[in-house]
Amino acid sequence: EAQVTQNPRYLITVTGKKLTVTCSQNMNHEYMSWYRQDPGLGLRQIYYSMNVEVTDKGDVPEGYKVSRKEKRNFPLILESPSPNQTSLYFCASKGINYGYTFGSGTRLTVV
Amino acid sequence: DAKTTQPTSMDCAEGRAANLPCNHSTISGNEYVYWYRQIHSQGPQYIIHGLKNNETNEMASLIITEDRKSSTLILPHATLRDTAVYYCIVREGNNRKLIWGLGTSLAVNP
Repeated sequence: EAQVTQNPRYLITVTGKKLTVTCSQNMNHEYMSWYRQDPGLGLRQIYYSMNVEVTDKGDVPEGYKVSRKEKRNFPLILESPSPNQTSLYFCASKGINYGYTFGSGTRLTVV
Repeated sequence: DAKTTQPTSMDCAEGRAANLPCNHSTISGNEYVYWYRQIHSQGPQYIIHGLKNNETNEMASLIITEDRKSSTLILPHATLRDTAVYYCIVREGNNRKLIWGLGTSLAVNP
């Protein structure tokens, strides 16, 4: 089944403790992206990647890092999480045709 | 900022057609209209997209006005499982970035 897999689904962490949210797609898509969703603000793009080793900032990149060492994986790294990064995170990928395929989401709470 | 305007919420009776409007008056010639939906807090799901012709797939129909300044997503026979937030987005053909508004919250009632 074609899908985008994010892990973990839920995560509670403390301020300053580095964490990684993994994202993997099995559709051989070149384009991948991370979004965060907050009440009243909709989905906002954090980072995106056009292909392996090609990444760029989205609208809200501060406090986040990404890497794209291979086509299928696009992890989101929070080096020093803060409470304002508490949010619902989505990874998405896109091929040539049709629309984006999104993961099931990661609900992150930073205390 | 989102380039589209949608009603905040709508209701529809189960089994009836749900017609969700979207205004995109500043759309340019190479921008597509995309529709996604998000059920509760799940990942958004692609529904349909179009450039200027009407489109239909197994999920829905998309009607785009001749001047392309507005469109309507039609769910022909809404079910309770269609209750979701529906997003209308315009996107350039070569630009993969989506700019999301707050969408329309559709409630399908029994």
